Amino acid sequence: GAVVSQHPSRVICKSGTSVKIECRSLDFQATTMFWYRQFPKKSLMLMATSNEGSKATYEQGVEKDKFLINHASLTLSTLTVTSAHPEDSSFYICSASPGTYNSPLHFGNGTRLTVT
Amino acid sequence: SQQGEEDPQALSIQEGENATMNCSYKTSINNLQWYRQNSGRGLVHLILIRSNEREKHSGRLRVTLDTSKKSSSLLITASRAADTASYFCATQIIQGAQKLVFGQGTRLTINP
Repeated sequence: GAVVSQHPSRVICKSGTSVKIECRSLDFQATTMFWYRQFPKKSLMLMATSNEGSKATYEQGVEKDKFLINHASLTLSTLTVTSAHPEDSSFYICSASPGTYNSPLHFGNGTRLTVT
Repeated sequence: SQQGEEDPQALSIQEGENATMNCSYKTSINNLQWYRQNSGRGLVHLILIRSNEREKHSGRLRVTLDTSKKSSSLLITASRAADTASYFCATQIIQGAQKLVFGQGTRLTINP
């Protein structure tokens, strides 16, 4: 089955620093990748949609200068949390779509970000 | 904002019993999908049901879709301890460009 690798799985950083999270589709080309954020015992909140070679589309209320998304190739998208604050601490999950109509998304295992 | 509402929010049953989770949504959809999430992990796709389908089976899983009521249900039969997880429905809306909007989820606990 389709595999999406997300790295790192856990990261602890200090306030004011930036953190980059990578999402790779290992055995398929992902025309579209999605980034979600999940608070403890809550649902997934879509942050942005990234298409290879174009600017990401951010959901309402998500700061694009805070959460930088790059989708430079058909197998890699990155999310950079800039100038991190403790309230950015969360579980971030990426997912990838091969672009086939009516097909499921393939999810990474998530990244637990803790900002101290 | 979330598209779907799920109930119950939490469900605890004995191993061997059946578990039923419900999902309601608000807008017209292309399809509805169910995912499972183990604690602290990513999501695993279970079943996708298209808007023109009414029922779908996969092993011990049965999903129904009622587009007139904008609702879906997931039934897990003969539950096992390994089924303990959170279950989410997600809708792909017609103008959604493949993005999924998730419901609040049901935390299922199977007691041995």
